[in-house]
Amino acid sequence: DIVLTQSPDSLAVSLGERATINCKSSQSVFHSSYNKNSLSWYQLKPGQPPKLLIHWASTRESGVPDRFSGSGSGTDFTLTISSLQAEDVAVYYCHQYYSTHTFGQGTKLEI
Amino acid sequence: EVQLVESGGGLVQPGGSLRLSCAASGLTFSTYAMSWVRQAPGKGLEWVSAISGSGTNTYYGASVRGRFTISRDNSRSTLYLQMNGLRAEDTALYYCATETSRMDFDSWGQGTLVTVSS
Repeated sequence: DIVLTQSPDSLAVSLGERATINCKSSQSVFHSSYNKNSLSWYQLKPGQPPKLLIHWASTRESGVPDRFSGSGSGTDFTLTISSLQAEDVAVYYCHQYYSTHTFGQGTKLEI
Repeated sequence: EVQLVESGGGLVQPGGSLRLSCAASGLTFSTYAMSWVRQAPGKGLEWVSAISGSGTNTYYGASVRGRFTISRDNSRSTLYLQMNGLRAEDTALYYCATETSRMDFDSWGQGTLVTVSS
């Protein structure tokens, strides 16, 4: 099974500052058939279901603010929030769908 | 708007069984692969099981394989998860989710809580 390891486990960032979350895969999730990376990012807030933010490693879902961006390829990926807002406090998960499904362990983002 | 509503959770003793349901609306249900994803208290997300739109193909995570069975009734737009041989470590909030054509999850229910305890 593919293992996803996120870093850090928790992160405190000041309002307006940049937040960076990393996700490393135990094997490449680059899907040659699509020429894309099968990696998504989700946001999970208490009492709410997960929200899909980014798919194909770098494509923002419709309605997701452009301060959220994803990057990376192969085995190393990053979620960046360019200017942290109070409503961004949440736990963030990466997810690979290259081979069944696995999630990273989550990164708790605080102010 | 897609709406997914899970039900069937509750308190069950170790070794017991439970069947979860997920009622879907706002989509052509039979065209969507579906998954169950769970979150144990204080833990992260864990994919549990998936089923193709037709119901022909099913997939399971290692921790539930042989104990859980996923199924669907497309005439009722409902997804199921039959859970047998429940263990304390199966205690979690269980979400159903639609799979996109990419195979990630774009719509989620609010979840149903399963507690396995004596």
